[in-house]
Amino acid sequence: GAVVSQHPSRVICKSGTSVKIECRSLDFQATTMFWYRQFPKQSLMLMATSNEGSKATYEQGVEKDKFLINHASLTLSTLTVTSAHPEDSSFYICSARRGQGAHSPLHFGNGTRLTVT
Amino acid sequence: LAKTTQPISMDSYEGQEVNITCSHNNIATNDYITWYQQFPSQGPRFIIQGYKTKVTNEVASLFIPADRKSSTLSLPRVSLSDTAVYYCLVGDMDSGNTPLVFGKGTRLSVIA
Repeated sequence: GAVVSQHPSRVICKSGTSVKIECRSLDFQATTMFWYRQFPKQSLMLMATSNEGSKATYEQGVEKDKFLINHASLTLSTLTVTSAHPEDSSFYICSARRGQGAHSPLHFGNGTRLTVT
Repeated sequence: LAKTTQPISMDSYEGQEVNITCSHNNIATNDYITWYQQFPSQGPRFIIQGYKTKVTNEVASLFIPADRKSSTLSLPRVSLSDTAVYYCLVGDMDSGNTPLVFGKGTRLSVIA
């Protein structure tokens, strides 16, 4: 069964509004979660690393004021796309590693399809 | 983070064995090799992971030569439902803070 849950799976919003995406680790604690973005026919691009209780680490070129990440608990990280524009329309995917070290693979949520009109 | 190179696409008929090779020439000592499968509009799904030699599970086998500079994912007797993008990733699995960087992946098309 799924070990990482993402919500909503699909959202449509108007340009200029903000959208929040939730990522939950199920039955395990994740001090670190990762957020990816994927455009059609392209690979996943790492956006940021979400750290529980501290600031997220953003990849080069990703605006931290536009993509707000909050990791307030050990099982929940949220990504808020602020003042969304049509170019932010994409597939957003979160992931977490179940187990610390011990060669634990990353588990991914089922993604959130964001469409900005 | 080690960079990976895979074929962009592959075609196969149903029932055939499919082997997808990935190159990772600058793999580090602590790096593991992990393969994921992704269907359209879904998150990647873990398939298999290995460090050296051969690993087999109920879904696939992973072959890693002694120099670890490449790896081959083997899918036995593929079906139409195996049509997906397959990603080979290399990373340090001993650190929980290390993300995985995705390459372009291999788009496998299974034909009836």
